[in-house]
Amino acid sequence: ETGVTQSPTHLIKTRGQQVTLRCSSQSGHNTVSWYQQALGQGPQFIFQYYREEENGRGNFPPRFSGLQFPNYSSELNVNALELDDSALYLCASSFWSYNEQFFGPGTRLTVL
Amino acid sequence: GDSVTQMEGPVTLSEEAFLTINCTYTATGYPSLFWYVQYPGEGLQLLLKATKADDKGSNKGFEATYRKETTSFHLEKGSVQVSDSAVYFCALSDSTGGGNKLTFGTGTQLKVEL
Repeated sequence: ETGVTQSPTHLIKTRGQQVTLRCSSQSGHNTVSWYQQALGQGPQFIFQYYREEENGRGNFPPRFSGLQFPNYSSELNVNALELDDSALYLCASSFWSYNEQFFGPGTRLTVL
Repeated sequence: GDSVTQMEGPVTLSEEAFLTINCTYTATGYPSLFWYVQYPGEGLQLLLKATKADDKGSNKGFEATYRKETTSFHLEKGSVQVSDSAVYFCALSDSTGGGNKLTFGTGTQLKVEL
């Protein structure tokens, strides 16, 4: 059974640029959630996707957007990057009916 | 809204010492409670969970009991090892209305020394 995978592992961007992060969910899971973890902090919920529809969003501006594909993989897009967007971005997958989420290793984004 | 409060770290212990990391929560519904562990440079791993009041979650010698009356979910281990050094996150998930999201505490760093 393949776990949650994310790509890329690390990414460096400059302020104002756009970035796309990718996540493949664990086999059998139909729900993907994205979290932002700033250095020294707990993860903060960005949004969740279920069957290709956004299902719940945290306190993040519209320049954070996402997609879920028919195979349940997902993308997180961030436009107009700001310095404060530098963080570890975590993807988690789960099965809709259960609340246990399984996390990927994360993508470390640095905005200069 | 939902929130989780954890004791601040770092917590430094000698090997074989007893560990307690305090966690309290605020939630409007009937949340499930979790402890996740994060090793340096890695993502989060689920350590244990409890889905209803008085449930005890346990794994790898760690335990936590869901206490609704005190809204707490303290993590304990009787004898820590150097390999337990990591950051521990308490979290809750409220599935009221369908779906779920995790609300995390700020994390507690544990350092275990020989």
